[in-house]
Amino acid sequence: GDSVTQMEGPVTLSEEAFLTINCTYTATGYPSLFWYVQYPGEGLQLLLKATKADDKGSNKGFEATYRKETTSFHLEKGSVQVSDSAVYFCALTGANSKLTFGKGITLSVRP
Amino acid sequence: DAGVIQSPRHEVTEMGQEVTLRCKPISGHDYLFWYRQTMMRGLELLIYFNNNVPIDDSGMPEDRFSAKMPNASFSTLKIQPSEPRDSAVYFCASSFRGAANYGYTFGSGTRLTVV
Repeated sequence: GDSVTQMEGPVTLSEEAFLTINCTYTATGYPSLFWYVQYPGEGLQLLLKATKADDKGSNKGFEATYRKETTSFHLEKGSVQVSDSAVYFCALTGANSKLTFGKGITLSVRP
Repeated sequence: DAGVIQSPRHEVTEMGQEVTLRCKPISGHDYLFWYRQTMMRGLELLIYFNNNVPIDDSGMPEDRFSAKMPNASFSTLKIQPSEPRDSAVYFCASSFRGAANYGYTFGSGTRLTVV
């Protein structure tokens, strides 16, 4: 079945550092790919998405490119801020309309 | 739109009591999902509905859990009787025509503590 694998966490960075969070997936067909963010005490919010190969999703300085050849959707940001501290989830959806989530990774950004 | 609305935000109950969690999806959304989040197991899909009809309840842990969607604007998740291991944050999410193009919109969750 469909699955999403995220790198192990947590991740701690200093403000203005470069961020990469790895995500790879296994799916049949052509899934849509998503990154969600969860701030403390809140629900998940859609951060960005890509619906076909080579699409780049972007939002709030974050980017991720749908790489079908490597089945990856790595999240990047050039300069993180303290306010980016949160849990980040990679997810995919296939033909059944369900979102399959990775385990999530906690990012902490130090001032 | 006010987004997906869940109530209550926090619930503390004693073991053996019935608990009912409530969700109002975004108007016009035709899919509704119930998730449970714990530190140990992460996010688990419990059940989802399409046009008020339950499509997949394979994630419901056991018969103590039940979910209903009597109309397009309301759903409940009930636990009877509740047990301490049910303590978790329960999220409701809704989407339009499934997740492929739009993803889900999540509510703020209900933090359930069973003592």
